[in-house]
Amino acid sequence: DGGITQSPKYLFRKEGQNVTLSCEQNLNHDAMYWYRQDPGQGLRLIYYSQIVNDFQKGDIAEGYSVSREKKESFPLTVTSAQKNPTAFYLCASSTGTGTYNEQFFGPGTRLTVL
Amino acid sequence: GQQVMQIPQYQHVQEGEDFTTYCNSSTTLSNIQWYKQRPGGHPVFLIQLVKSGEVKKQKRLTFQFGEAKKNSSLHITATQTTDVGTYFCAGPWSNSGYALNFGKGTSLLVTP
Repeated sequence: DGGITQSPKYLFRKEGQNVTLSCEQNLNHDAMYWYRQDPGQGLRLIYYSQIVNDFQKGDIAEGYSVSREKKESFPLTVTSAQKNPTAFYLCASSTGTGTYNEQFFGPGTRLTVL
Repeated sequence: GQQVMQIPQYQHVQEGEDFTTYCNSSTTLSNIQWYKQRPGGHPVFLIQLVKSGEVKKQKRLTFQFGEAKKNSSLHITATQTTDVGTYFCAGPWSNSGYALNFGKGTSLLVTP
């Protein structure tokens, strides 16, 4: 089955700890994205990557970091500098080429910082 | 990113009634995409509109892209309980690349 996996589904961390969220895709997509979703706020872009070893900041990159060492993987680290990290985090991917470029989303990780 | 505004924020209808959500941008959009997110789920792509004045239909769903490519709408005819969820429109986040700028969504509740 082709798709995007995110793990874990639920994550609890103590305040002040860094935490890394996993995102893997086997769709052979070049582009990958991280969004944050808060109630009533829609999806906000954290980081995106159009090719391996390259990534760009989105609207709310402060307190987050990413890496793109492999085409299939785009992990997101939520650092202790992120002031309000509790949220639902969604990873997505798309082909990164052509006119029609729908994004495929993973199931998400719900992070709660205690 | 290029902002897209979406209204209404919530809509509660009786099953069988119609539903419409609207998306507006202050700038011209090269394209607009629509997604549906079921409660507890993740967004799922519905459609992408590219051409000025474009109208596309998927069964009971009708999508329109304005002539000026600054607004779009999603209309559902005769809603069913399976239509429950949040509908998002999304425009390009920048003039390059494929990242998206999502509206805040319209949450649809359908009661039988």
